[in-house]
Amino acid sequence: GQQVMQIPQYQHVQEGEDFTTYCNSSTTLSNIQWYKQRPGGHPVFLIQLVKSGEVKKQKRLTFQFGEAKKNSSLHITATQTTDVGTYFCAAAGGSYIPTFGRGTSLIVHP
Amino acid sequence: DTGVSQDPRHKITKRGQNVTFRCDPISEHNRLYWYRQTLGQGPEFLTYFQNEAQLEKSRLLSDRFSAERPKGSFSTLEIQRTEQGDSAMYLCASSPLPNEQFFGPGTRLTVL
Repeated sequence: GQQVMQIPQYQHVQEGEDFTTYCNSSTTLSNIQWYKQRPGGHPVFLIQLVKSGEVKKQKRLTFQFGEAKKNSSLHITATQTTDVGTYFCAAAGGSYIPTFGRGTSLIVHP
Repeated sequence: DTGVSQDPRHKITKRGQNVTFRCDPISEHNRLYWYRQTLGQGPEFLTYFQNEAQLEKSRLLSDRFSAERPKGSFSTLEIQRTEQGDSAMYLCASSPLPNEQFFGPGTRLTVL
């Protein structure tokens, strides 16, 4: 299956600061998905990116898929305490089986 | 509630015992996935069904693990002769389309 590296593992921010997590693969991906998992909760689907260079926005969240389809990022503008959780990327190659990264845990200090 | 449900939510067992977990997917979803998640890690793929057919199984999955999805509805995951290393959260997800997945709340297994 695909191998995906996700960085950083943890990120502490003050409320109102921006946050970015990165997902990298050594192979070309057919698509990438992003999930959020709150502490004690289960992963919740956020978005799927399919096209090279694709950029999608959801309110304060911006998702990008690299031109070579080997990397992706999630950027949150002006973090809020409700953004706390672990953000996972999940990459799929030719099969329908996504491989999850280790996740980036976001801690927002009020 | 029309989401994915899992039962039980928590299971404590002694090493060597067998356990079985159940997942009820969203009714119109024909794809069903099982994952295992340990602390600080992302979900690790175990197996995948499309309707009642088990299409893929992780090579990391030992023969002690078996899953079924009779009639393409609910699914069960059985672990035989449990080991302490099996302690984890077992997540089920269903999907109407390739890749977008809706996760259930998980079953937390503790093997003593």
